[in-house]
Amino acid sequence: EVRLVQSGAEVKKPGDSLRISCKTSGYTFTDTWIAWVRQLPGRGLECVGIIYPADSDARYSPSFQGQVTISVDRSVKTAYLQWSSLKASDTAMYYCARRHSSHEAGDFWGQGTQVTVSS
Amino acid sequence: SYVLTQPPSVSVAPGRTATITCGGNNIGDKSVHWYQQKPGQAPVLLIYYDSDRPSGIPDRFSGSNSGNTATLTISRVEAGDEADYSCQVWDRNDLWVFGGGTRLTVL
Repeated sequence: EVRLVQSGAEVKKPGDSLRISCKTSGYTFTDTWIAWVRQLPGRGLECVGIIYPADSDARYSPSFQGQVTISVDRSVKTAYLQWSSLKASDTAMYYCARRHSSHEAGDFWGQGTQVTVSS
Repeated sequence: SYVLTQPPSVSVAPGRTATITCGGNNIGDKSVHWYQQKPGQAPVLLIYYDSDRPSGIPDRFSGSNSGNTATLTISRVEAGDEADYSCQVWDRNDLWVFGGGTRLTVL
């Protein structure tokens, strides 16, 4: 059974650093891309970026380039999304999703990680 | 950047058919995927490659794509179909591009 399990909710202050995780199981981790998706409160879905675990090739949507870093640890089959200096505007739900190897859609999703940034 | 446009809301009576559109420039040349998201839950893939359904998705859900509009059709709507529905395409610059989402209300 394919599963993506994300780390728990976080409450941080502006300027803090943060790394959230997405632990995968039930498939070959290096076979296909993992995406990170942001959902602002009451808003639609936005792609933060994607990463190919086999070679750590990471690509970012223009709005997020330079704002976050996506990485993987192949030894624990886990993808990460990190910030070096959080802003209040980063407050959102973040999802990871597996991109299907053929049709490119997100066929399995994590349960989401709520990130709250407040002074 | 590539933009997908969805109506913010659609309302339908139980048992009737709901149609949710997703507009984009020559979207018919792209593969469109659809997701259902219920409150407090992660998105679920409903339709991929314009009209294919993952296993476990009822055949009441169908999709089409042509010209500048892709369409998600939900037949014999049930109360449990009340949710947000989002379309998505792949763009080489913007990666996954999502529509703004449509809230389906079952009257």
